[in-house]
Amino acid sequence: DAKTTQPNSMESNEEEPVHLPCNHSTISGTDYIHWYRQLPSQGPEYVIHGLTSNVNNRMASLAIAEDRKSSTLILHRATLRDAAVYYCILLAIYNNNDMRFGAGTRLTVKP
Amino acid sequence: DTAVSQTPKYLVTQMGNDKSIKCEQNLGHDTMYWYKQDSKKFLKIMFSYNNKELIINETVPNRFSPKSPDKAHLNLHINSLELGDSAVYFCASSQGGQNGNQPQHFGDGTRLSIL
Repeated sequence: DAKTTQPNSMESNEEEPVHLPCNHSTISGTDYIHWYRQLPSQGPEYVIHGLTSNVNNRMASLAIAEDRKSSTLILHRATLRDAAVYYCILLAIYNNNDMRFGAGTRLTVKP
Repeated sequence: DTAVSQTPKYLVTQMGNDKSIKCEQNLGHDTMYWYKQDSKKFLKIMFSYNNKELIINETVPNRFSPKSPDKAHLNLHINSLELGDSAVYFCASSQGGQNGNQPQHFGDGTRLSIL
């Protein structure tokens, strides 16, 4: 299974951009890159996903390296509510949506 | 309206008992999942059902039996509860069972505590 590597923790100041990195050097051509986050005492929440091109939605942007061996989740203006554990997950086509969570990155947002 | 709802939110029971956790989704999705998050906070998939058929069955003790009466419901029944079953159990749903391109929507979890 393709695996991902993320920093254990990161800190950010409120209203500043945050760049959360993820390495996935063994990614295959049919793996989608998904990002989820988990706020305290809640279930995981979908953030964004992509395959090859950069993606934007109302929550965040996803920048995918040209060789697809790494990606970066960008929160444009961090708020206190963005404090959570962020998970970068590879999801293969035709693999029954079998999603494997790692340890993720714990993001702390300082006021 | 909550998209994926689980009941109960908290479940405290004694070792050896049998209990069920219910999950319902109103998103019209055809695939549902159960995940377990242990005390170390690692989330692991347990089961997934697509159109009421079992698709993923991870190495889970056979004391755990999922039941899907229809596409909108996936219940989890646990027999002979053990101390190690204490965890938070999350239900999720998505559209499309083999795609890889669909987000999963999670419930808020059921915190199971075994005394």
